Amino acid sequence: DPKIIQKPKYLVAVTGSEKILICEQYLGHNAMYWYRQSAKKPLEFMFSYSYQKLMDNQTASSRFQPQSSKKNHLDLQITALKPDDSATYFCASSHNRESDTLYFGAGTRLSVL
Amino acid sequence: AQSVDQPDAHVTLSEGASLELRCSYSYSAAPYLFWYVQYPGQSLQFLLKYITGDTVVKGTKGFEAEFRKSNSSFNLKKSPAHWSDSAKYFCALEGRGNYKYVFGAGTRLKVIA
Repeated sequence: DPKIIQKPKYLVAVTGSEKILICEQYLGHNAMYWYRQSAKKPLEFMFSYSYQKLMDNQTASSRFQPQSSKKNHLDLQITALKPDDSATYFCASSHNRESDTLYFGAGTRLSVL
Repeated sequence: AQSVDQPDAHVTLSEGASLELRCSYSYSAAPYLFWYVQYPGQSLQFLLKYITGDTVVKGTKGFEAEFRKSNSSFNLKKSPAHWSDSAKYFCALEGRGNYKYVFGAGTRLKVIA
């Protein structure tokens, strides 16, 4: 059974719209992350949370907003979507933040038309 | 700043051969180093990590890696390679104390049966 659930698996959106990517982890981890993978760039760190607090934000655009309603949830809201946002978005978690193995979800593949 | 370089975008070898995927890093202090694997259509999975101590670390699926401080490398090895090892391999670095995880661009390995 997948321990990190990402929904939806595939997402098609129109330019200018808003979408929310869902992530839930059932590993009992304290830290959660968002990464983005596209053809143009290697795996790119976006956000890290620890105990529901934002610890690091490497995303230049405020159009990307993480939301943590529970310790094991970290959703990603993306507003004013652009074609350049097309990528696979991976949620990950780790027990703690330092020197810890990352466990990745299956990803949400977003296509912006 | 910290960075990871995987100089070989693609590696092809025959089943039964020895594989070595190169990874070099740049970081001013002692790093934490990781290897992850991504099979086609799947998410990333942890293979192994170097935290401290023994410079040769063994991981899952018969892989091992050697940390060489002298030339800032953390190459991944396996012998013999199997066709099922065909995947994309990512080297990653976390800076001690800064909790920043940086991935290399990845090496796509193809093992020909």
